[in-house]
Amino acid sequence: DGGITQSPKYLFRKEGQNVTLSCEQNLNHDAMYWYRQDPGQGLRLIYYSQIVNDFQKGDIAEGYSVSREKKESFPLTVTSAQKNPTAFYLCASNYAARGDEKLFFGSGTQLSVL
Amino acid sequence: GQNIDQPTEMTATEGAIVQINCTYQTSGFNGLFWYQQHAGEAPTFLSYNVLDGLEEKGRFSSFLSRSKGYSYLLLKELQMKDSASYLCAVRAVSVGSSNTGKLIFGQGTTLQVKP
Repeated sequence: DGGITQSPKYLFRKEGQNVTLSCEQNLNHDAMYWYRQDPGQGLRLIYYSQIVNDFQKGDIAEGYSVSREKKESFPLTVTSAQKNPTAFYLCASNYAARGDEKLFFGSGTQLSVL
Repeated sequence: GQNIDQPTEMTATEGAIVQINCTYQTSGFNGLFWYQQHAGEAPTFLSYNVLDGLEEKGRFSSFLSRSKGYSYLLLKELQMKDSASYLCAVRAVSVGSSNTGKLIFGQGTTLQVKP
């Protein structure tokens, strides 16, 4: 079955540590996105990529980094520069060229600081 | 700036009808989406509006007025499983940008359905 897979479901980060969240899709989608969700707030865009080997900063990119070496994969690294990383992270994908194309979301990763 | 407003919380009774409103102010507009999200899970797509009017899909309907920057999601015959957060999201077009239209989300409306 086609879908978008995030791992791990839960992740703990120590002070000063970088951690990487995985996102893989087999939907043949061109575009992939990372959103952050905090309690009582809407989803905020961290980074997005519309094509392999290219990505753009979203609204809250500071303290995060991404890569898009393969169409299927868009990992997100939360660096030690991100001082408040505790949140629910959602990866999404779609066919970017179509205006009505909805986002498909992964099941999310809950990141907490030890 | 870009702004999307929704009520934070709503409560309704099983079997009733509830309307969740969403107002938006964005630099451009290329469609409005509604998503449902149960706690700790991925948002799932409910509806899409790009032209004014009502779109009906089973127990759920969504309305759009572009001139008013306003949308609502109507849920009929409420069931307990409809207890969730409902996210309004606008696809805003940035003039001169290579971006084909990323989504801007409201904070979500948490709906509690009571017996």
